[in-house]
Amino acid sequence: DGGITQSPKYLFRKEGQNVTLSCEQNLNHDAMYWYRQDPGQGLRLIYYSQIVNDFQKGDIAEGYSVSREKKESFPLTVTSAQKNPTAFYLCASQGQTWGELFFGEGSRLTVL
Amino acid sequence: AQSVAQPEDQVNVAEGNPLTVKCTYSVSGNPYLFWYVQYPNRGLQFLLKYITGDNLVKGSYGFEAEFNKSQTSFHLKKPSALVSDSALYFCAFTPKGGDDKIIFGKGTRLHILP
Repeated sequence: DGGITQSPKYLFRKEGQNVTLSCEQNLNHDAMYWYRQDPGQGLRLIYYSQIVNDFQKGDIAEGYSVSREKKESFPLTVTSAQKNPTAFYLCASQGQTWGELFFGEGSRLTVL
Repeated sequence: AQSVAQPEDQVNVAEGNPLTVKCTYSVSGNPYLFWYVQYPNRGLQFLLKYITGDNLVKGSYGFEAEFNKSQTSFHLKKPSALVSDSALYFCAFTPKGGDDKIIFGKGTRLHILP
């Protein structure tokens, strides 16, 4: 089935450690996105990529990094510089229909 | 700054009654507006969008939204609520000059009471 796969679903990390969240899509979509979701704050855009080997910062990029070496993959690294990394992270892609994002099931990161 | 606002954190509606989830926008130029729904511990699902044309937009699961330029609103509506409609609803928009950016509001939790 076509879709967005995020892994791991749950992740625990110690303070000071970097962690990478995986996002893979088999929808042949060009644009991909990473959002962070916190209770009461909705979704906030971290990074997005419109094409391979190119990406742009969103509203809260500090403490995060991404790469887009392949069309189907857009991994997000949460670095030790991110002061409050505990959150629910959502990856999405956009196809031909403008504004229709397809979301993965999310990754819940908890920093201990 | 361009934004959308969802003035209600939570909306409670009895099953079978009409429901409205409110969204107002502050967007330069002609806005591109969207509604998404999120069920517990899941990703979001696209419901509908307004780009141009008819002010009443129909979407998935019987939902519709009305674009009102004079009131800068894009409220989500359904004539008869189902318990299964209980979820978190997000209004979203594309900023002018924002490439492919899609920015979300803070969300409204909808409770349908049986």
